[in-house]
Amino acid sequence: LAKTTQPISMDSYEGQEVNITCSHNNIATNDYITWYQQFPSQGPRFIIQGYKTKVTNEVASLFIPADRKSSTLSLPRVSLSDTAVYYCLVGDMWSSYKLIFGSGTRLLVRP
Amino acid sequence: NAGVTQTPKFQVLKTGQSMTLQCAQDMNHEYMSWYRQDPGMGLRLIHYSVGAGITDQGEVPNGYNVSRSTTEDFPLRLLSAAPSQTSVYFCASSGGQGSADTQYFGPGTRLTVL
Repeated sequence: LAKTTQPISMDSYEGQEVNITCSHNNIATNDYITWYQQFPSQGPRFIIQGYKTKVTNEVASLFIPADRKSSTLSLPRVSLSDTAVYYCLVGDMWSSYKLIFGSGTRLLVRP
Repeated sequence: NAGVTQTPKFQVLKTGQSMTLQCAQDMNHEYMSWYRQDPGMGLRLIHYSVGAGITDQGEVPNGYNVSRSTTEDFPLRLLSAAPSQTSVYFCASSGGQGSADTQYFGPGTRLTVL
C-alpha cells in the first residue's frame, strides 16, 4: 500500500477555494486515489476518487498529474460546514481492501 | 436502506470486562471491516472480512475477536477490556475488495474503559 503524506491542518475562510495536496511517491500502476471526509463524531464519508488527470463531482474536484505521485483535492467556495478532516488514501484497485487511513488534514473554515 | 448500523452508540466498561460491538449492513456487501480511532488520530484497521466465514487481521488486532456468520453482520468482541482500548470504533462495508470500491461507514461506538 502506498504511503501518503498530507498537511496536518489548513485554515480557510468562507467562500474561498481550498486545495489540499497529498503526496504518494510510491504509487503503483494499479492504485486508485480516494478522498474521504470526516466530521466530528461521525464516520468517514466518500468524497471523490480518481486514477489520473481530473475528476469532478458535485462536491469537489481531484487533480492528478501525469506522474501520479501527488494529487490535489479542490473544494470550491467552502462554507463553515466543510470544516472536517480530509483523508487521502491510495490502494490497489483490485485487492487493496485493507485501506490504511493516515492522520488526515484538519480543515478549519472561518467566517 | 439503513446502510451501516452500529450498536451501542456509547459504552462504559470496567477493566477486564468483555463485550460485543454490533455492526450490521443491509446493502448486501461482501466486505466489512472494523476500525478504531483514538482522539486526534486517523483510523486504524482492527479486523476485516471478505465474506461470510472469512476474516483476517488488520493493523491492530490484539485484544479483539471477530466472526462473520452472515453477510449482514460483523460483530467485534473485546475479550478482556483494557484502558488502552478506549476509543471510537467504526464499522465499514463495501461492495468490492479494491480501493475503487467506496467504503460506507457506520456512526461509530464510543467506548470508555475505566
